[in-house]
Amino acid sequence: SQTIHQWPATLVQPVGSPLSLECTVEGTSNPNLYWYRQAAGRGLQLLFYSVGIGQISSEVPQNLSASRPQDRQFILSSKKLLLSDSGFYLCAWSVSSGTAYYEQYFGPGTRLTVT
Amino acid sequence: GESVGLHLPTLSVQEGDNSIINCAYSNSASDYFIWYKQESGKGPQFIIDIRSNMDKRQGQRVTVLLNKTVKHLSLQIAATQPGDSAVYFCAENRGAGGGNKLTFGTGTQLKVEL
Repeated sequence: SQTIHQWPATLVQPVGSPLSLECTVEGTSNPNLYWYRQAAGRGLQLLFYSVGIGQISSEVPQNLSASRPQDRQFILSSKKLLLSDSGFYLCAWSVSSGTAYYEQYFGPGTRLTVT
Repeated sequence: GESVGLHLPTLSVQEGDNSIINCAYSNSASDYFIWYKQESGKGPQFIIDIRSNMDKRQGQRVTVLLNKTVKHLSLQIAATQPGDSAVYFCAENRGAGGGNKLTFGTGTQLKVEL
């Protein structure tokens, strides 16, 4: 069966510090991978989307970047964090689909607080 | 679209009653609609989805209804249990040309009272 991991689970970082969040998926090959952010009391906002190694699409302009160095590894980064970067970051995967719909499955999330 | 408020709509039900959670969507081109359940501090959990050419789909204790005329989606939970307490999100897949990308609603807090 497939599993998705995220770490760290929680993180407190000062403004201006760098960020690196990691997501890995097991039990599947060539998945679509996603990064979402969830602000308190709100829905999920898609940040980045990847259909393969080195292929990243950004959904919204922001202070963050994403990379996919390996097939089942997705990394979310920032060079200098802003207070507005605080939130709950969720990684998700789906079957590789081209433009077709497949269910997305979410990881446990990382709670980031920027102070 | 998403609510700009910080307070989620809340639905309180008695244990054993049926729950109905509603959602309005905006994109007529969306080809799938999905319901997720999110417990506090956890990632969303897939519940059920429905294709845009259907109006009803049933799962285990859950039913999703789709009304494309008024762009409305609902999730019905039969015999609601304490373990059903969570925030429920609807999401829509952007459809052909949009890739497998979801747009989420704001969410509804379901509270099950004993």
